[in-house]
Amino acid sequence: SQTIHQWPATLVQPVGSPLSLECTVEGTSNPNLYWYRQAAGRGLQLLFYSVGIGQISSEVPQNLSASRPQDRQFILSSKKLLLSDSGFYLCAWSSRDTFTDTQYFGPGTRLTVL
Amino acid sequence: GEDVEQSLFLSVREGDSSVINCTYTDSSSTYLYWYKQEPGAGLQLLTYIFSNMDMKQDQRLTVLLNKKDKHLSLRIADTQTGDSAIYFCAEWESSASKIIFGSGTRLSIRP
Repeated sequence: SQTIHQWPATLVQPVGSPLSLECTVEGTSNPNLYWYRQAAGRGLQLLFYSVGIGQISSEVPQNLSASRPQDRQFILSSKKLLLSDSGFYLCAWSSRDTFTDTQYFGPGTRLTVL
Repeated sequence: GEDVEQSLFLSVREGDSSVINCTYTDSSSTYLYWYKQEPGAGLQLLTYIFSNMDMKQDQRLTVLLNKKDKHLSLRIADTQTGDSAIYFCAEWESSASKIIFGSGTRLSIRP
């Protein structure tokens, strides 16, 4: 069966510090991968998605970036965090073998920028 | 543009049925989803329905789709305290090849 992992689970970082969040998927090959941000009490905002190694599409311009160094690894980064980057970051995957693009989510990373 | 709308809050008495409503705008949507998010956790896929269906039932969950009105609902029978969560409606936006999520409905259960 497929599983998706995210770490760290929680993170407190000062403004201006760098960021690296990691997401890995097991039990599937060649998945579509997604990064979402959820601000407190609000819905999901799609940040990035990837259909393959090195292929990243950005949905919202901001000071975050994403990379996919391996097929089942997706990394969210920032060189300098802003207060507004605080939120709950969710990684998701979907299979390219189905038409539905049903997405399955990881447990999330709670980021607090102080 | 695409949009999925939900009411923000719903309060239901334990044991009653909960009905969470959602409207969407893309008439070409092929799949519609319901996700559940418990506090501090990721989203869990509850169910999805294909656009050529009117209804789908899975144990305590019933999904109704009205394509004419672009209205989707999730009914939870015999609501329990464990059903307390945020429920997200989502549609597969075929023209953009992506899923569009609503803002979520927070379901609270009162004794």
